[in-house]
Amino acid sequence: RKEVEQDPGPFNVPEGATVAFNCTYSNSASQSFFWYRQDCRKEPKLLMSVYSSGNEDGRFTAQLNRASQYISLLIRDSKLSDSATYLCAVHLNTNAGKSTFGDGTTLTVKP
Amino acid sequence: NAGVTQTPKFQVLKTGQSMTLQCAQDMNHEYMSWYRQDPGMGLRLIHYSVGAGITDQGEVPNGYNVSRSTTEDFPLRLLSAAPSQTSVYFCASRFTGGAGNTIYFGEGSWLTVV
Repeated sequence: RKEVEQDPGPFNVPEGATVAFNCTYSNSASQSFFWYRQDCRKEPKLLMSVYSSGNEDGRFTAQLNRASQYISLLIRDSKLSDSATYLCAVHLNTNAGKSTFGDGTTLTVKP
Repeated sequence: NAGVTQTPKFQVLKTGQSMTLQCAQDMNHEYMSWYRQDPGMGLRLIHYSVGAGITDQGEVPNGYNVSRSTTEDFPLRLLSAAPSQTSVYFCASRFTGGAGNTIYFGEGSWLTVV
């Protein structure tokens, strides 16, 4: 079983739609959680961190459920520019910890 | 603001050749790592390091070596290139410890093995 698993996608939605991505992780010792955005042929870039209390950044909302070991990303009022691959990331923050990414979910927003 | 710098950006190798992908960061990050990303796939961890002199294997380490002699540099060596190693390679770094430590990526190195 992969350490981090994401919805396989792809997601094709019209402009203005609301779309949600889920990600599960297997290591209960995981301490930090993030969503990254990756555009075609580019490096991943941080979209937002995910906090235990949930957090929002404009049209984007991230949630963490430690008991069920999953994180989610909600995008409201989708824009054409939101089309990208979204990767969840899980970090172990110990001195021996590593960062593991999901396979990504591709979103295409259509006019 | 250099961040994470990878070289070369593009490389074509013949099967059996060896080469080194260079990675340097100027943010004094303890953690550095190498990922490979195949077309339509996610990031797979090759090797990582949590400090100078310390390295560990990730998910797909076979065929690759790393060393970490300084905090800044984390080169990835392909010992005998194979077509299966054709991929995009990303170097990344972050602070260890604490919470919310963002990982920063280099721009990627596109490697083709023929």
